Amino acid sequence: EDQVTQSPEALRLQEGESSSLNCSYTVSGLRGLFWYRQDPGKGPEFLFTLYSAGEEKEKERLKATLTKKESFLHITAPKPEDSATYLCAVQYGAQKLVFGQGTRLTINP
Amino acid sequence: KAGVTQTPRYLIKTRGQQVTLSCSPISGHRSVSWYQQTPGQGLQFLFEYFSETQRNKGNFPGRFSGRQFSNSRSEMNVSTLELGDSALYLCASSPGQAGAEAFFGQGTRLTVV
Repeated sequence: EDQVTQSPEALRLQEGESSSLNCSYTVSGLRGLFWYRQDPGKGPEFLFTLYSAGEEKEKERLKATLTKKESFLHITAPKPEDSATYLCAVQYGAQKLVFGQGTRLTINP
Repeated sequence: KAGVTQTPRYLIKTRGQQVTLSCSPISGHRSVSWYQQTPGQGLQFLFEYFSETQRNKGNFPGRFSGRQFSNSRSEMNVSTLELGDSALYLCASSPGQAGAEAFFGQGTRLTVV
């Protein structure tokens, strides 16, 4: 069965404490892997698109990487404003987009 | 460039009623997808429209339907509302090509009482 699994479900860090979020997938015919950030009560905000293994994208304190089985979202020296739920989504086959359950990230000052 | 606009933002309906939600995509985007988001199930795909045709459909009952107009605006309809339909309904638009990122609206918060 095609699946997208994110871990951990929740992560609490101190300000400045770097870490990584994981998104593993079991789909065939990957067309793209996407990372989104979602704040409470709002729609997901697009962060990155990755297309092939070995690809990396960076934006401020965030860096996304992709292998054939998983993607990582690395957060370097996070700030409280980075607190949000981070969602990973995979597009495959007939352009269907499947989301993981998300990682709820909390950065304490 | 204007983003994805969803109306209304909030809605309260009674069981058994029907509801219509609206989504205006980013100008030039031909694909509109709808999602249901609940705390327990996360983001679940409802359906996708491209050039007025339904291109993909998720595993939801026939009470959930949609359509897309020639200007790419889309509507989603839920008939015979149930308590379990309470959720955040999100619309996303994309250019339509495979691998193109989707941009989301703020969502419509539907509460069924």
